[in-house]
Amino acid sequence: AQSVTQPDIHITVSEGASLELRCNYSYGATPYLFWYVQSPGQGLQLLLKYFSGDTLVQGIKGFEAEFKRSQSSFNLRKPSVHWSDAAEYFCAVASLSGGYNKLIFGAGTRLAVHP
Amino acid sequence: SAVISQKPSRDICQRGTSLTIQCQVDSQVTMMFWYRQQPGQSLTLIATANQGSEATYESGFVIDKFPISRPNLTFSTLTVSNMSPEDSSIYLCSVEWTETYEQYFGPGTRLTVT
Repeated sequence: AQSVTQPDIHITVSEGASLELRCNYSYGATPYLFWYVQSPGQGLQLLLKYFSGDTLVQGIKGFEAEFKRSQSSFNLRKPSVHWSDAAEYFCAVASLSGGYNKLIFGAGTRLAVHP
Repeated sequence: SAVISQKPSRDICQRGTSLTIQCQVDSQVTMMFWYRQQPGQSLTLIATANQGSEATYESGFVIDKFPISRPNLTFSTLTVSNMSPEDSSIYLCSVEWTETYEQYFGPGTRLTVT
């Protein structure tokens, strides 16, 4: 069965420090992978996606992610974190089912940013 | 992308009652989805609503508890029936952009059942 694992429940970084959030997936075929961010009291905002091609994808707000098939990973990175990046981050894989893509989410990683 | 609105944004309801949540999209979309996010948890898909057909429910969710309507390509409703405190969650709708397979989410409805 398809699944997504985000090993880190909470991460705290200092403002200006680099960030890497881990995501591992289990999927039989070539996956469609996504990162979403959920700020307090907000819905989910799509940060970036990977479907095919270049394994390093750029997203909004200065985020990027790298798809590594050999490691079944899709880690999210940002070179310099801003206080406004404090939020919950969800990795998701799309599972084709019945003609549409069903999103399977990881448990999420809550990011705190120290000033 | 799409602009998605949900009503109500939050509600406090008594057990045994029902609440209908509305989801409006500013563009015509084929696929709409309803998710539940229990407190401190990730998102779980409840059902998929395709215009003109019955909703498809995921394992653990049934139509009697979560009836869904999809009368046109820009609107859907989810009803949470006969509520109990365990139904206290955030309920989110989303739409899939067919050309890109991206899903966009509404702001959510925060439901508290007392």
